[in-house]
Amino acid sequence: TQLLEQSPQFLSIQEGENLTVYCNSSSVFSSLQWYRQEPGEGPVLLVTVVTGGEVKKLKRLTFQFGDARKDSSLHITAAQPGDTGLYLCAGRNQAGTALIFGKGTTLSVSS
Amino acid sequence: GAVVSQHPSRVICKSGTSVKIECRSLDFQATTMFWYRQFPKQSLMLMATSNEGSKATYEQGVEKDKFLINHASLTLSTLTVTSAHPEDSSFYICSAKPPGIETQYFGPGTRLLVL
Repeated sequence: TQLLEQSPQFLSIQEGENLTVYCNSSSVFSSLQWYRQEPGEGPVLLVTVVTGGEVKKLKRLTFQFGDARKDSSLHITAAQPGDTGLYLCAGRNQAGTALIFGKGTTLSVSS
Repeated sequence: GAVVSQHPSRVICKSGTSVKIECRSLDFQATTMFWYRQFPKQSLMLMATSNEGSKATYEQGVEKDKFLINHASLTLSTLTVTSAHPEDSSFYICSAKPPGIETQYFGPGTRLLVL
């Protein structure tokens, strides 16, 4: 069974701090995706990482895909209250037919 | 582009009644749609995959007779929760995938509350 473990599960920080969220698995994924979800809304795709060792930047967000394609991380620099939300990593299942999601990291950034 | 809508956005029903949730791809054709369920402060759990014109594929543990899925057109899939019970209260989210593209586009979700 493919599982994606995310840590930490909850994170509460002050505006301006940096943070890193981790997504780990014992399985190899052809790609991993990161989503952000706000309460009462559907998840919004932030990035897809495909190549082992790949690093992608999206403004203050930096995404990295592990060399073995089993893990990924999301680093936020100088967090802002607008970054508050549920961050989810997701990978395609073995059949390649659907996405499976990690349990998510709930981030709260206070001013 | 690539907008997915869901209707209704929230619904309250009595225990024992059935509720239908619609998922529409507004500006693209979706040969495959997915239905997810999300409990408070938890992640999305895949319930089923529906392909246009064929029967849905349900994930293990999801009752196909309770959660009826119909994908009758390339832009519409429906999820019917039959004989709903309070434990079915949840946030139901659909996503749609255009043919030949791996990206899924998610709807805004439907909040179901069964009293």
